[in-house]
Amino acid sequence: AQTVTQSQPEMSVQEAETVTLSCTYDTSESDYYLFWYKQPPSRQMILVIRQEAYKQQNATENRFSVNFQKAAKSFSLKISDSQLGDAAMYFCAYVAGGYQKVTFGTGTKLQVIP
Amino acid sequence: DTAVSQTPKYLVTQMGNDKSIKCEQNLGHDTMYWYKQDSKKFLKIMFSYNNKELIINETVPNRFSPKSPDKAHLNLHINSLELGDSAVYFCASSPPRGVSYNEQFFGPGTRLTVL
Repeated sequence: AQTVTQSQPEMSVQEAETVTLSCTYDTSESDYYLFWYKQPPSRQMILVIRQEAYKQQNATENRFSVNFQKAAKSFSLKISDSQLGDAAMYFCAYVAGGYQKVTFGTGTKLQVIP
Repeated sequence: DTAVSQTPKYLVTQMGNDKSIKCEQNLGHDTMYWYKQDSKKFLKIMFSYNNKELIINETVPNRFSPKSPDKAHLNLHINSLELGDSAVYFCASSPPRGVSYNEQFFGPGTRLTVL
């Protein structure tokens, strides 16, 4: 069974600094997709960034980028120039290609310090 | 607005009651889901429907019954509510395979409190 592990229950970062959230996953599939979702206090789940496993290039969305290490099954999220609005729960998620079931990690609560 | 909507957003009820949560998406997606997020924020899939057909049915008590009248709607009915059912329930939808990598589009969530 696929599992997604986020080993950091909580993280904090100074405003304008950079922070990296960790995620590892376990799978025997070769075709899959990885996501980072953000859940602010409003509780709305928002997609931050996604990565296709067949792509070697790391995905980037403005201040958000990932470090995708396929062999190590690692998928970390880097937030640059952190802003107060980045404070939220961040969930790493995995889905095998051709399947519909998404597996979420346990989340990392990010605090941004002014 | 194109979105996934859920009603109600808040639901407070007594133990033993039966309640329903409704979900609608106007994104044209063909797959819809129900997730449960517990007090520790753990998000777990409960059910998934593809074009009104049940495709994922995780280990969930029989008191929970999903119903999909059409591919734009997925409702969740809960019988004989228990204290442990208190959680936030999220509806989500995703585009057909090969379109957007099974990206989940989430509704705003329904916070269910059982007293």
